[in-house]
Parts: sequence; C-alpha cells; structure tokens
Amino acid sequence: QKEVEQNSGPLSVPEGAIASLNCTYSDRGSQSFFWYRQYSGKSPELIMSIYSNGDKEDGRFTAQLNKASQYVSLLIRDSQPSDSATYLCAVTDRGSTLGRLYFGRGTQLTVWP
Amino acid sequence: EAQVTQNPRYLITVTGKKLTVTCSQNMNHEYMSWYRQDPGLGLRQIYYSMNVEVTDKGDVPEGYKVSRKEKRNFPLILESPSPNQTSLYFCASSNRGSNQPQHFGDGTRLSIL
Repeated sequence: QKEVEQNSGPLSVPEGAIASLNCTYSDRGSQSFFWYRQYSGKSPELIMSIYSNGDKEDGRFTAQLNKASQYVSLLIRDSQPSDSATYLCAVTDRGSTLGRLYFGRGTQLTVWP
Repeated sequence: EAQVTQNPRYLITVTGKKLTVTCSQNMNHEYMSWYRQDPGLGLRQIYYSMNVEVTDKGDVPEGYKVSRKEKRNFPLILESPSPNQTSLYFCASSNRGSNQPQHFGDGTRLSIL
C-alpha cells in the first residue's frame, strides 16, 4: 500500500500571504507528482504537475520536489479567498505504464480577507 | 469540449436494488478509474482499467463491479448496494503513462438507505 501523507489542516492564512502545503510519500520509485484543488462538493482539478527535483512555477503556484527526502510541496503566493479549498497531493505508481494515482487525504486551506 | 461525463449526478436508493453509474469520456483515453470519497478518508480507488477488456482492482473493490467493453465507457455496477456504499463517486480518465494527469468527472453522490 502506497502511503501519501498530508497535514489535514485546516491551514488558515490571510489574504496576500504565502500558503505552504506539504506532502510526503512512501514509495521511493514514484515518478510523477500532482497537486489537485478541490472545492467543496466539486471534482478535483489539476493545478500543478512536477516530475523532476527542484521547483516548478506556474503563476502564483510553485511546486517543489525533493525525491531524496520523498517530499513534495505547493506554495501559493499572494493567496486569495478564492484559493480556499482542499488541496490533494497525488503520486504515481512505480511502474511507468500503469498510471495509477495514490492520493493523500488533502489539506484544507482557508484564506481570510 | 473534452470531458468526463458521469450519470446520474445524484441518486437515493434502497439496500439491495442493483444500480449502475455510467462514465463516458471523449478524449480517447486508455486509462479510466473509479474513486470513492468519504470524509476524512480522501479519494480511494475502487477499480481501474488500462484499456478495453482490461480491468483491475483498486484499494476498495468489495461490493463493486466494472466493465470496459468500449474505450470511452467505464460503468460502475453495484449489484446489491448497502448503506456503507453511501459516498461521493468520481470517474477519471487519462492517457496511459505515469506522467499523465487524470481528468475527473463531476461526481455522483449516492445515498443507500
């Protein structure tokens, strides 16, 4: 059983602050890492993917991956109330052809005005 | 528009009455999957399919069946639903490969009385 761990939160930050979301995973062979955002009652939507060590930036979002530490994080700069949601970390199986995703339980983020 | 379509979106039914939740995708994706989401437990995979006529169990397959007779469709069957299958269900699809993100349907909220 692959383990993907996230702090459940809730994480609460003021508008304009940086929100930092963390995720650790158990399978050292995992190759691909995704962050999904899920609003209450809605489906998960992909916001970031990262495949190699280092940082990847997309607008206000930065994903960071450290495979040696089996750690992936998501930074949200200039947080907005519309960022309030649950953020799901997902990690793929070791086998490159399978494409199975293993999800963490999610971190609930609240951005207050 | 590229999408994953689930039906019904909401269903209230009674214990033991067979039901099917349909899932269809128009992106020619090889990989399809069913998840259930329960409070505090995150997204858990029920079944997945790598291609037509190829299906396999996920982490919580008990009480469910699937079939993949066509590439675009992946129905979820509850032969004899029970109250512990009350949940929010998501279908997802992707291209094959560990770096391919999954696209989710809008979800089906099932209540088994």
